[in-house]
Amino acid sequence: DAGITQSPRHKVTETGTPVTLRCHQTENHRYMYWYRQDPGHGLRLIHYSYGVKDTDKGEVSDGYSVSRSKTEDFLLTLESATSSQTSVYFCAISPGTGTGAFFGQGTRLTVV
Amino acid sequence: AQSVTQLGSHVSVSEGALVLLRCNYSSSVPPYLFWYVQYPNQGLQLLLKYTSAATLVKGINGFEAEFKKSETSFHLTKPSAHMSDAAEYFCAVSDRTGTASKLTFGTGTRLQVTL
Repeated sequence: DAGITQSPRHKVTETGTPVTLRCHQTENHRYMYWYRQDPGHGLRLIHYSYGVKDTDKGEVSDGYSVSRSKTEDFLLTLESATSSQTSVYFCAISPGTGTGAFFGQGTRLTVV
Repeated sequence: AQSVTQLGSHVSVSEGALVLLRCNYSSSVPPYLFWYVQYPNQGLQLLLKYTSAATLVKGINGFEAEFKKSETSFHLTKPSAHMSDAAEYFCAVSDRTGTASKLTFGTGTRLQVTL
């Protein structure tokens, strides 16, 4: 899968705890994205990055923060997890506009 | 804001029959258009994309899609379905401004292929 690794692949956490998901790429692509997938909603963009330390919000950014300290790593943090954040999270990468994006295998997060 | 509508959350076809999955977009300027496939418990795989060259785009696994500006559509077709085509399919768009490939997805269509 286009040199993208997400970790962990599965996680169960309790409400109110912080959670960090990691995305690592080996393609040296400029852009990295975090999406969440929920039944009936397709995939929705949470945050994206256009370079080291350069990030911006997506459609559903409330309750999430991101960081990118190296080209290859993009972290998604849930500061205080809620049950509404139970979802499958996908990291994606792209070299630029018009190319589409290449997706990782996903992380299934359950908040109990 | 862009939006994508996929008509039919579930489509069932017989093996060997035509596959037609519908996608309509809403955008003031024709966007870039994509179809992705997702097999169970996997990530999304790019099937094909339209970026303004030929309006009929051929992708992997025998799929193709035709961009029709007058109908704001980008329907996905395959002449003959195979059991291995059973999966969920997503249409997505990204605009032509900026440099990032931020995607807006439809809600998906689950394709079932029966014997």
